[in-house]
Amino acid sequence: QVQLKETGPGLVQPTQTLSITCTVSGFSLTSYYMQWVRQTPGKGLEWMGFIRSGGSTEYNSEFKSRLSISRDTSKNQVFLKMNSLKTEDTGVYYCAREGDSSPNWFAYWGQGTLVTVSS
Amino acid sequence: DIQMTQSPSLLSASVGDRVTLSCKASQNIYKYLNWYQQKLGEAPKLLIYYTNSLQTGIPSRFSGSGSGTDYTLTISSLQPEDVATYFCQQYNSWYTFGAGTKLELK
Repeated sequence: QVQLKETGPGLVQPTQTLSITCTVSGFSLTSYYMQWVRQTPGKGLEWMGFIRSGGSTEYNSEFKSRLSISRDTSKNQVFLKMNSLKTEDTGVYYCAREGDSSPNWFAYWGQGTLVTVSS
Repeated sequence: DIQMTQSPSLLSASVGDRVTLSCKASQNIYKYLNWYQQKLGEAPKLLIYYTNSLQTGIPSRFSGSGSGTDYTLTISSLQPEDVATYFCQQYNSWYTFGAGTKLELK
């Protein structure tokens, strides 16, 4: 069955870079879009960006200058990297997979990984 | 950017009640609207896509409707397991979520 699991650092210092890995099973990354969504106390649920089945990416303009999404299809992993972290970036970060018929709804989600930005 | 406004922010209802949650977009989103349910400590779960299509495995007591800027999620007979926060999400222009409606039992 479809499974997604995020792995992150837990605690990150301000100005540092956040790296999160989403490991998937039950499907191929070359067949589906993969999304990143975060949930923060200040802004709620925010779409961050996605990587298409073909490997190209799109980003929310709010994060574009400091966000990067990539993948390793051989390891069934998708990566999020975001630099210049601020305390407002504290929240839960989710990877999600598109539905079977469209990239526009997020049908499968990981459990999320809590990231705290603090010195 | 398209803003999504959900109302009410908190709703108290009794088991068996018909419950209606609202979502209003800042511009016409042409039915490009999804609904998610999030229980405490869990990831969001897709309930309805493209305004009124029920995701596989979701009980038929959930339904969606709307057009233009105004959309509704209805639970025909509230069950205890429906206690959660519900989010709408538009995809007419990228993706934005509403702030959520928290549904509790009266």
